[in-house]
Amino acid sequence: SQQGEEDPQALSIQEGENATMNCSYKTSINNLQWYRQNSGRGLVHLILIRSNEREKHSGRLRVTLDTSKKSSSLLITASRAADTASYFCATDPNAGNNRKLIWGLGTSLAVNP
Amino acid sequence: NAGVTQTPKFRVLKTGQSMTLLCAQDMNHEYMYWYRQDPGMGLRLIHYSVGEGTTAKGEVPDGYNVSRLKKQNFLLGLESAAPSQTSVYFCASSYGGKATPPQYFGPGTRLLVL
Repeated sequence: SQQGEEDPQALSIQEGENATMNCSYKTSINNLQWYRQNSGRGLVHLILIRSNEREKHSGRLRVTLDTSKKSSSLLITASRAADTASYFCATDPNAGNNRKLIWGLGTSLAVNP
Repeated sequence: NAGVTQTPKFRVLKTGQSMTLLCAQDMNHEYMYWYRQDPGMGLRLIHYSVGEGTTAKGEVPDGYNVSRLKKQNFLLGLESAAPSQTSVYFCASSYGGKATPPQYFGPGTRLLVL
């Protein structure tokens, strides 16, 4: 079952603008991860945020986590055409020991030059 | 380091045929995973392994079998292919740990079942 739900499903912006996408989940988690998938390629891990962290940065990426609302957001600043891709959140549920991630359906981002 | 590699990249099967997809990783990772990705469905876990010689069922295991005889390889078998198994298959691996760590993905195998 899909725990993560990304919002919006699709986003189209101009180069240089900021892109924000959100992820909501249902159960308590150990961590939440964001991945990027370029068309026709495998997924690439972007950033991991632990349940006791509220914000994390990596280059032009900023991720926030609100465990009380069970939600996360990924902000890409000063977007580039090369950021065009699908972005997925995945959660590591804090239940059992099964080493599986629960994946959302993704946000498709188009950055127009 | 090649990372995670998948063989073949593309395959066409007829209904009822069998095949094996090979995943190999050179990062000495403990965990390995097989997913399928279909339009509008996101990633769905088929089977996974938390160590050499171990396998476990994921979300959509029916019609598939797996084996992990060597730590670096994870094989996905389709015993009797069906059109519903037309998909893009991704293998992923990760190191071990208390919480589920980031996964490294292969480039995918596109399978068409006629």
